[in-house]
Amino acid sequence: EIVLTQSPGTLSLSPGERATLSCRASHSVSSSYLAWYQQKPGQAPRLLIYGTSNRASGIPVRFSGSGSGTDFTLTISRLEPEDFAVYYCQQYGTSFGQGTKLEIK
Amino acid sequence: QVQLQESGPGLVKPSETLSLTCTVSGGSISTYYWTWIRQPPGKGLEWIGYMSYSGSTNYNPSLKSRVTISVDTSKNQVFLKLSSVTAADTAVYYCARSLTVGWLVTHVDVWGKGTTVTVSS
Repeated sequence: EIVLTQSPGTLSLSPGERATLSCRASHSVSSSYLAWYQQKPGQAPRLLIYGTSNRASGIPVRFSGSGSGTDFTLTISRLEPEDFAVYYCQQYGTSFGQGTKLEIK
Repeated sequence: QVQLQESGPGLVKPSETLSLTCTVSGGSISTYYWTWIRQPPGKGLEWIGYMSYSGSTNYNPSLKSRVTISVDTSKNQVFLKLSSVTAADTAVYYCARSLTVGWLVTHVDVWGKGTTVTVSS
């Protein structure tokens, strides 16, 4: 069973800053099978990135994903007010990381 | 565009079976995998399991002994049954559509709004 560990647990930044979120897997994950989701309070999660680096439909270009093997990263180049939320990574459509809360500093 | 709507009892007694239905509209169940995910209050997402259009299933090992996912293609519905529930099963339950590459699931691309289930006597 692959365990995903996200860091940091909470990230405090200001609008306009760059955010870097990490997702580390206990065993190697093929890049085709790593996805990222955004969840805002009271809402269902929304797909952001699939296949490590492919933006889902309608996702702004400020969101990007990278990585390979056991280390994956979600980067938000310049934070907008609507980006403050919780972010989850997922592998092979099964287990999720525990989430990173991105909060306004 | 495809929409998913979860439905079922909002309150289930301990030791009983939780039963939820996901109705798929705007698209066919065929050719996709269908996933259930839950989120306890204030906590993260937990994958419960998925079922393919052809009937194969994959369940979370921690829930496998209590979970059954099934589909009714004639009604475009997906079902979740979770037996012997306890308070720890209290959560928002999401139905979701999953995409695949070959026979491996890659990600969830469509989510339902979720339904809250409370386990309490």
